[in-house]
Formats: sequence, C-alpha cells, structure tokens
Amino acid sequence: AQKITQTQPGMFVQEKEAVTLDCTYDTSDQSYGLFWYKQPSSGEMIFLIYQGSYDEQNATEGRYSLNFQKARKSANLVISASQLGDSAMYFCAMREGAGGTSYGKLTFGQGTILTVHP
Amino acid sequence: NAGVMQNPRHLVRRRGQEARLRCSPMKGHSHVYWYRQLPEEGLKFMVYLQKENIIDESGMPKERFSAEFPKEGPSILRIQQVVRGDSAAYFCASSPMAGHQFADTQYFGPGTRLTVL
Repeated sequence: AQKITQTQPGMFVQEKEAVTLDCTYDTSDQSYGLFWYKQPSSGEMIFLIYQGSYDEQNATEGRYSLNFQKARKSANLVISASQLGDSAMYFCAMREGAGGTSYGKLTFGQGTILTVHP
Repeated sequence: NAGVMQNPRHLVRRRGQEARLRCSPMKGHSHVYWYRQLPEEGLKFMVYLQKENIIDESGMPKERFSAEFPKEGPSILRIQQVVRGDSAAYFCASSPMAGHQFADTQYFGPGTRLTVL
C-alpha cells in the first residue's frame, strides 16, 4: 500500500497567487513526522517545512504553511504569493516515529511538478 | 555552517566497474541516510548509518551494494559491478543527535548522478 500519495502530477499557478499541493499518508503509528522538500531543476533536495503528529498548530515557514488534518491523514503544502523561483518538483515525505530519539527513514511520495506562470 | 557534502557530483562508469559515492554529513550530525532516485520517481530509502554502525539497511539491494560510515571520514556507498539499472541520483542526508532543536529533520546533500554506460 502506498504510504504517501501525491495525486497531482503537475500544478500550474499564476505568479503572486497561492497554491496548494496535496499529500495524503497512511500509517498506524501514533507518532510520525511529515516533511515537504523542494527539488528544483538543478536537482538538489531543499527542506521546506516539518510537522510532527503531536503538533497542535499547523507549521509555517515564511511563505510555506502546512495544512495538517490528522483525522483525514492529509498534510497539504500551501505556498502563498508564488514566485517564478518556486517552479520545481515538490515531495511530501513521512517519517514514522517522530520523537527525539527516533531517526527513521523517510518515505517519499511521487512528487508534484509546480509551474509558476508570470 | 557547511551543508551535507557529496562527491563526486557526477560519476560515469562502464558496466562491471565499481562506483564509490562519498558523503560528509553536516557538522555535528552523526546520522547518515542514503536514498536513490530513479528517473521520474521519488526518493527511495536505502540505508541508515551511525558512526561505525549500520542501523537499517532494509532498502539496500541484497547484492553488489554496501555502505559504511567509519569513525573518521565520510560515509561511503559502494556499488560493485555496476549495471545500467544502477543509473540514478544517489542522495545522502544527515540529521543531528537527539536533543537538538531540529532533531527530526534530515538535510540532504546535492546528490551524485551515476550514469552507467
């Protein structure tokens, strides 16, 4: 069974508008972490944002926010005020076991290609 | 503070040769992960190491692949007798020791693109 599902192979957004990238996950763990990474065409993986399963508030990092809905097992990334430099592949990932003593592997989704139009 | 370093960035090998990929974690990080990204796919976990120990190698192919993280020096991912199917981007990530503010986050290196001719 797919543990991380990103149902949008590609998304388009106009510059300066907001966009939501979907991510749903499947786990039986009570403790887990959810991550979003950006992979531009140059290929490196850039960490964007992290949400722990016990965090009560949605994570925010600048223009990035994570819309965490635990009951629905979704962790959508919201990018506000899109910029041309946001055009990239975006990956959602999950680590099962989110405590400070757990360093489990990341399981990645298939990714969503975001294209920002001027 | 230097990030995760990987070298080489690009590696070309002929079938049957050996590939050695190196990863130096961020300063203060003692946990290293290797992932493989095939074309048009997400990253797949291969192995997780701490200094001198393999913690989880559940994603490693059973043959030809090995990894180490010695007490001194970088982590090495070694692929013996490479085949065309090994062509991929190999990423290393590191995370800090317990108790660090961002203990839960893995930071990635720029990757090594392996091409097998």
